[in-house]
Amino acid sequence: QKEVEQNSGPLSVPEGAIASLNCTYSDRGSQSFFWYRQYSGKSPELIMSIYSNGDKEDGRFTAQLNKASQYVSLLIRDSQPSDSATYLCAVTVWGGGFKTIFGAGTRLFVKA
Amino acid sequence: EAQVTQNPRYLITVTGKKLTVTCSQNMNHEYMSWYRQDPGLGLRQIYYSMNVEVTDKGDVPEGYKVSRKEKRNFPLILESPSPNQTSLYFCASSFGVAGGQTQYFGPGTRLLVL
Repeated sequence: QKEVEQNSGPLSVPEGAIASLNCTYSDRGSQSFFWYRQYSGKSPELIMSIYSNGDKEDGRFTAQLNKASQYVSLLIRDSQPSDSATYLCAVTVWGGGFKTIFGAGTRLFVKA
Repeated sequence: EAQVTQNPRYLITVTGKKLTVTCSQNMNHEYMSWYRQDPGLGLRQIYYSMNVEVTDKGDVPEGYKVSRKEKRNFPLILESPSPNQTSLYFCASSFGVAGGQTQYFGPGTRLLVL
């Protein structure tokens, strides 16, 4: 069973701090890695995608991928109350077609 | 406006009464997918389609059917719904089929099966 694991949280950080979200995956054949943000009652929306080892930065967000350790993380710098949401880690794996496997999500609270 | 639409948004039905949830995208995307979201379990893929007339099972396909007769539409069919199919359902689409593209999600359909 291919799995994507996340700490369910909640993770609580003060406004302006760095929030660190982590994800591990079991299938070494995983090819693409994504972080989606989901506000309560809303649909997921893409925050970051990353495909190769290393860091990828986009504004206040940095995604980090380590394929050897099967680990992907998301750092949110200068956290804002509007960042409070559930963050979903997702990976795509080839199984005759591209399946997408999501983690259960980490709830983040940013305290003003 | 580029979007994925789902209908209905909310549905209450009874066990065994066939239903269809429609999904349509106006972005000419090749890849479409259905997910269900349950508390503590996250999003689980039901079925996906890499092109017209090409569909494949995700992780939780039991009790569901799909079809892809047109590029823009990907309906989800529950032929005999059961209470364990009560869930929040999302349709999503992406431009490519190589697995690396962003998926755009519809607004969700809340289904309650009594």
